Amino acid sequence: ETGVTQTPRHLVMGMTNKKSLKCEQHLGHNAMYWYKQSAKKPLELMFVYNFKEQTENNSVPSRFSPECPNSSHLFLHLHTLQPEDSALYLCASSRLDRGYGYTFGSGTRLTVV
Amino acid sequence: GQQLNQSPQSMFIQEGEDVSMNCTSSSIFNTWLWYKQDPGEGPVLLIALYKAGELTSNGRLTAQFGITRKDSFLNISASIPSDVGIYFCAKYRPGSARQLTFGSGTQLTVLP
Repeated sequence: ETGVTQTPRHLVMGMTNKKSLKCEQHLGHNAMYWYKQSAKKPLELMFVYNFKEQTENNSVPSRFSPECPNSSHLFLHLHTLQPEDSALYLCASSRLDRGYGYTFGSGTRLTVV
Repeated sequence: GQQLNQSPQSMFIQEGEDVSMNCTSSSIFNTWLWYKQDPGEGPVLLIALYKAGELTSNGRLTAQFGITRKDSFLNISASIPSDVGIYFCAKYRPGSARQLTFGSGTQLTVLP
């Protein structure tokens, strides 16, 4: 049990589909993050939410739409994705007053066909 | 840019051998971090370094923060099969929205 739970673990979707990734944490953290992990590339920060407010959008295409309804839940809504969007999507959370203490979820392995 | 250059990209070693990997950057940092990602899981923090020259151990793992504050290395002694995974260096910049930036990782395979 990592404290950060991501669902689903695996997702296969067509380019015309709409799906959502879910992340949940019960660690009392107040910041949440989406990272994209592609093969042989560094983890790429996509979005940052501090106290439910989006504070960073790292030039992510609009076909990825984040939502943070409260400090414990984070969603990533997907629509009209491309095959190159296939990757492992990792959610993380932290406490803003404790700096680098990120806790990562196990990720959602997304395949776009 | 603020990329981290991590090497080697992959390593194949025999069980019991020692391992060394490093990370360099063009700019200085106040905090270096080393993470491990097991297959099918998210990264987990192994070691955090705060001061130039600092040497820190965590079991069989030893990491050092370079004197120039632009590099760090991670050593694993007497490797075992469960050491398999991807090891990432990361930099932390307090006060910035992009708080954690990761290197490209070193894929470690331990052969029996």
